Amino acid sequence: GAGVSQSPRYKVAKRGQDVALRCDPISGHVSLFWYQQALGQGPEFLTYFQNEAQLDKSGLPSDRFFAERPEGSVSTLKIQRTQQEDSAVYLCASSLSPGGTGAGGLAGGGSNTDTQYFGPGTRLTVL
Amino acid sequence: SQQGEEDPQALSIQEGENATMNCSYKTSINNLQWYRQNSGRGLVHLILIRSNEREKHSGRLRVTLDTSKKSSSLLITASRAADTASYFCATDFTSGNTPLVFGKGTRLSVIA
Repeated sequence: GAGVSQSPRYKVAKRGQDVALRCDPISGHVSLFWYQQALGQGPEFLTYFQNEAQLDKSGLPSDRFFAERPEGSVSTLKIQRTQQEDSAVYLCASSLSPGGTGAGGLAGGGSNTDTQYFGPGTRLTVL
Repeated sequence: SQQGEEDPQALSIQEGENATMNCSYKTSINNLQWYRQNSGRGLVHLILIRSNEREKHSGRLRVTLDTSKKSSSLLITASRAADTASYFCATDFTSGNTPLVFGKGTRLSVIA
């Protein structure tokens, strides 16, 4: 079936512009996570939704970052007045249940309804 | 801040050899997982090991967990060129829905 999709895959913005990144989770998945991955680093948590409720936004780096999931499905991450340090890959993940502990399970190693499935990411470059 | 630290940062081996990557973390965990990321692609889950488990196998993958040392290792046996990727460990701290905390990754290059 269809996995998590994200759009656009690549975005170039001039410093000061606003951008909106979209995530389409797997249909029926309750939980949705946003992560930010800087070049050469591991992903870092930004925010988390359970259905339409944003339960944790502790990872958002500044008030220029805003995320929403108004109907409990598609989510949008908005960054206002982009800065060069915002350049990164933004990853979205979804999980079926309110309990999310991992992703994918290609090797079948312990995946369950809590599994987080990741999208391909949006690479944002701020000039 | 990042919880896990993978070691080494980069590893280069010949095809057919085994690759071992290590991960250390700082606080108590619920689960530890390993992921693979190919250049320009999303994260692919490889294996999950729970805090009450010590070893787990899946195909050519073997994961160990030592909670007393707060460390884990990922062994890939009989490596292939297609295994070339970055490998990350990720931890979560409580049961239920929590975000994953990733390390910085090990860049593995398998030379044919």
